[in-house]
Amino acid sequence: GAGVSQSPSNKVTEKGKDVELRCDPISGHTALYWYRQSLGQGLEFLIYFQGNSAPDKSGLPSDRFSAERTGGSVSTLTIQRTQQEDSAVYLCASTFGSGGVDLTQYFGPGTRLLVL
Amino acid sequence: AQTVTQSQPEMSVQEAETVTLSCTYDTSESDYYLFWYKQPPSRQMILVIRQEAYKQQNATENRFSVNFQKAAKSFSLKISDSQLGDAAMYFCAYRGRNTGGFKTIFGAGTRLFVKA
Repeated sequence: GAGVSQSPSNKVTEKGKDVELRCDPISGHTALYWYRQSLGQGLEFLIYFQGNSAPDKSGLPSDRFSAERTGGSVSTLTIQRTQQEDSAVYLCASTFGSGGVDLTQYFGPGTRLLVL
Repeated sequence: AQTVTQSQPEMSVQEAETVTLSCTYDTSESDYYLFWYKQPPSRQMILVIRQEAYKQQNATENRFSVNFQKAAKSFSLKISDSQLGDAAMYFCAYRGRNTGGFKTIFGAGTRLFVKA
């Protein structure tokens, strides 16, 4: 596609429910990142996928968070048993490679998650 | 661990004037990349400018330029001839080239207001 897309754009859920957030990276981009942006804060790294390599999950805040990337393209971030502190904007970004030629991260518009 | 600090939560500038946003970082690496991203109310993060640490020449993109002081670990963004469309959150970011190279560390951001 022309850019990184994310869905849904907004999600309201009740505490304790599971949510799935989707990211479609730019076609051909091998690297994909998930970030969390809490209100008024910077971006917090969550997880990184690069090609067929094992993802780096070191930024996931708890075992309630998981992510997968199917076929090296679309990625889904799942939050189980959501808590109010999970409320944030979740941003996805993709890059052409893991380093070298183009390090520019192209971001999606984000999903704003509100846990009531 | 690398850190990025933006000491100005908010800045204000008169239209057509010049404003400088500050950023400092801490790293033990010698080779890395620095970025400024813009996030308008639409939430879409947009790369404004980037600097390779091995380059002494300051990067410039139209009205945007940086003052990269490697020894001082400072990376400020100068916006000349400010326009109303420049109003946004601006994030400074760091990415190492060698160790943990895929992780991009973001500052907390500076909100820029542009007055007509």
